[in-house]
Amino acid sequence: DAGVTQSPTHLIKTRGQHVTLRCSPISGHKSVSWYQQVLGQGPQFIFQYYEKEERGRGNFPDRFSARQFPNYSSELNVNALLLGDSALYLCASSFVAGGAGELFFGEGSRLTVL
Amino acid sequence: TQLLEQSPQFLSIQEGENLTVYCNSSSVFSSLQWYRQEPGEGPVLLVTVVTGGEVKKLKRLTFQFGDARKDSSLHITAAQPGDTGLYLCAGGTDKLIFGTGTRLQVFP
Repeated sequence: DAGVTQSPTHLIKTRGQHVTLRCSPISGHKSVSWYQQVLGQGPQFIFQYYEKEERGRGNFPDRFSARQFPNYSSELNVNALLLGDSALYLCASSFVAGGAGELFFGEGSRLTVL
Repeated sequence: TQLLEQSPQFLSIQEGENLTVYCNSSSVFSSLQWYRQEPGEGPVLLVTVVTGGEVKKLKRLTFQFGDARKDSSLHITAAQPGDTGLYLCAGGTDKLIFGTGTRLQVFP
């Protein structure tokens, strides 16, 4: 079975642009979470979706938005990019929502903002 | 706000040495998870500790959950170069939050 897949793997944008990152969860998983990881630090929680509904949001500005589709795949959108948005964006899927279940991560989308 | 602080931040050791990584919080967690992340990959779950005082072993790795469920430790015996990576503790109820991370480098 395929694991969590993310696309694109790498991308370069300039300040002010917007970006859309995509994630396909493990088959059977209904929850998708998004994390931002700056080099050398722990992942920071951005969003969690379960059954197409937002279940949690981290301390990120409104420039960050996400959605989950009927097939449980998900998109993370970031508008008006800033240099500080440069990071590895990780998607994780899980069978249950909340913080108790194991998260299965993709390899991430590395975003560079110039 | 629940926060997880890990120490040390960096650890560079020779093969065969022992080490301990700490994960501390002022909040009580119902469970804590430990993940390892290698370069270019996402974190992978190593273990989940649930009961205060619980000790779990995974080959040369020993995980302990504090009695008050506010802290946890990871002890590696006879470290090997394959243990190199970023070690992350994580916990939470409505969402999983991650610790600050400990980057371990084991030299042959």
